[in-house]
Amino acid sequence: KAGVTQTPRYLIKTRGQQVTLSCSPISGHRSVSWYQQTPGQGLQFLFEYFSETQRNKGNFPGRFSGRQFSNSRSEMNVSTLELGDSALYLCASSPLAGGRTGELFFGEGSRLTVL
Amino acid sequence: AQKVTQAQTEISVVEKEDVTLDCVYETRDTTYYLFWYKQPPSGELVFLIRRNSFDEQNEISGRYSWNFQKSTSSFNFTITASQVVDSAVYFCALSEAGSGGYNKLIFGAGTRLAVHP
Repeated sequence: KAGVTQTPRYLIKTRGQQVTLSCSPISGHRSVSWYQQTPGQGLQFLFEYFSETQRNKGNFPGRFSGRQFSNSRSEMNVSTLELGDSALYLCASSPLAGGRTGELFFGEGSRLTVL
Repeated sequence: AQKVTQAQTEISVVEKEDVTLDCVYETRDTTYYLFWYKQPPSGELVFLIRRNSFDEQNEISGRYSWNFQKSTSSFNFTITASQVVDSAVYFCALSEAGSGGYNKLIFGAGTRLAVHP
């Protein structure tokens, strides 16, 4: 069974640009969550999507957005990049059968560097 | 406010030593889940255990054991007879019924465990 796949794995952008990250969940998983990991702030929840609807959102500015498609694949977008957006962005999916009980399956992340 | 504290930033042990990773949490919710995740160098977090707030039974899984004490708001993780493959960053996390869904995890800062041969 394939795991959570995130693309791209590494990317470099400059301030002011925008970026789109993609996440393919485990087959059958309908919930996709996104987390940002930085050395200073640690792991922080960005948002969760379930059946194409945003179900929960963390405390991030509106520059961070996401969406989920009918096949459960998800994308997140960061516009007007700032240096502080440099981070590892982790996507996680959770089992349909398990509901929303916090057992998350994470991808290896997309490492974004903003110059 | 909800918060997870992992006071140990880094721990270094020699193989076969036992090691305990501490986790203290704060929440006003009476219904919540606690978790431990492992992050190896490859980056992906690996789920280790989930415990709900109504189940204070300790759990053992092979060399891993967890001690949940609501009286002290702690959920500590012990690795018995540590191995080099246990080297990773370990995160304790909390999710609350009142946060809009249990998939919104509040993570601690993590404890980096280095097991030396």
